[in-house]
Amino acid sequence: SAVISQKPSRDICQRGTSLTIQCQVDSQVTMMFWYRQQPGQSLTLIATANQGSEATYESGFVIDKFPISRPNLTFSTLTVSNMSPEDSSIYLCSGRTVEAFFGQGTRLTVV
Amino acid sequence: RKEVEQDPGPFNVPEGATVAFNCTYSNSASQSFFWYRQDCRKEPKLLMSVYSSGNEDGRFTAQLNRASQYISLLIRDSKLSDSATYLCVASDAGGTSYGKLTFGQGTILTVHP
Repeated sequence: SAVISQKPSRDICQRGTSLTIQCQVDSQVTMMFWYRQQPGQSLTLIATANQGSEATYESGFVIDKFPISRPNLTFSTLTVSNMSPEDSSIYLCSGRTVEAFFGQGTRLTVV
Repeated sequence: RKEVEQDPGPFNVPEGATVAFNCTYSNSASQSFFWYRQDCRKEPKLLMSVYSSGNEDGRFTAQLNRASQYISLLIRDSKLSDSATYLCVASDAGGTSYGKLTFGQGTILTVHP
């Protein structure tokens, strides 16, 4: 399957600031997604990143808090805006052909 | 009710044991099913897809029962390296060929010597 490079791998941020996470895929993929994973828990879908149009957000997630870009079929960014300690989590991007494959994750700590 | 539900375990088994994981899904429109494996502090990786007729990949066997909305994973002759969290995943078709994935909470497996 394709390979996703995700960065940063980890960051510690001050509350009230924003962090942008980037994912680069080594081939074109139709679908890209962003997930959040709390420690010891499973993955929760934040949104589907749509190429050339606004992302589709899941219940409980909004564009103002998690703006997403997808300028082409190989790249996407997720911004975590106006961060609070509750945003501390692992954020994962994913691409999908038949099965899904994941970036290495970004471990975010907000202090 | 969670859309995809798994027994979280943990399962602690000796090397060589056979272990089975079960999973149920609530969305009858789910089209595709997978088992993923996630090692500690790593991203999930596909273990195997689950087909209606059941499928086997070496020591791993997956079964799907659409009528009962039930999926299983059987691991035979467990190895120490099988220790991980196993995620049951269901996918809807959505508006495209490849819909979004819904993950179960994961089942923790520890294989000991």
